[in-house]
Amino acid sequence: AQSVTQLGSHVSVSEGALVLLRCNYSSSVPPYLFWYVQYPNQGLQLLLKYTSAATLVKGINGFEAEFKKSETSFHLTKPSAHMSDAAEYFCATGQRNKLVFGAGTILRVKS
Amino acid sequence: DAGVIQSPRHEVTEMGQEVTLRCKPISGHNSLFWYRQTMMRGLELLIYFNNNVPIDDSGMPEDRFSAKMPNASFSTLKIQPSEPRDSAVYFCASSLTGPRLNTEAFFGQGTRLTVV
Repeated sequence: AQSVTQLGSHVSVSEGALVLLRCNYSSSVPPYLFWYVQYPNQGLQLLLKYTSAATLVKGINGFEAEFKKSETSFHLTKPSAHMSDAAEYFCATGQRNKLVFGAGTILRVKS
Repeated sequence: DAGVIQSPRHEVTEMGQEVTLRCKPISGHNSLFWYRQTMMRGLELLIYFNNNVPIDDSGMPEDRFSAKMPNASFSTLKIQPSEPRDSAVYFCASSLTGPRLNTEAFFGQGTRLTVV
């Protein structure tokens, strides 16, 4: 079965610093992969998705993710963190027409 | 489109009472998902429908939980009787799916359920 594992339940960065949120997938076939963001008391919003068209995927709010088959990874990055990026981030993969989510990573941005 | 609409946003009920959560998916979407989110268990898929038919309900925790989708624009998740451990945020999501999932799911704002 396809699944994703997010490394680190909490990540803390300073404003302006690089954001790196880690996600590894397990799949026997090329996966569809997604990153979602959840702001407090809100639903989940799609940041970006990988559908095999390109290994580097650009999303909203300056985020991007790179699909690395050799490492079975799909890490999320942003060059410079803003205070408004503080939220919980979920990696997800498609499995039989349904999304399977990782445990989530809470991003804290320090001023 | 207004997006996925859930109601109510908040629900407080007493143990033993019946609770019904409602969802209106995005028009034209053919799949609908109910998720539950808790601190302990994260996001769990409870059930999903495709073309109004339940496809996978393996995530439904107990017989106390039931879900229906009488038409393409409405779904309910019912808990009867409710228990304190059902307290969570329940999300509805919809998507347009084909043979393989390559389109994202759109989430509602969620219903925060508190059972006292």
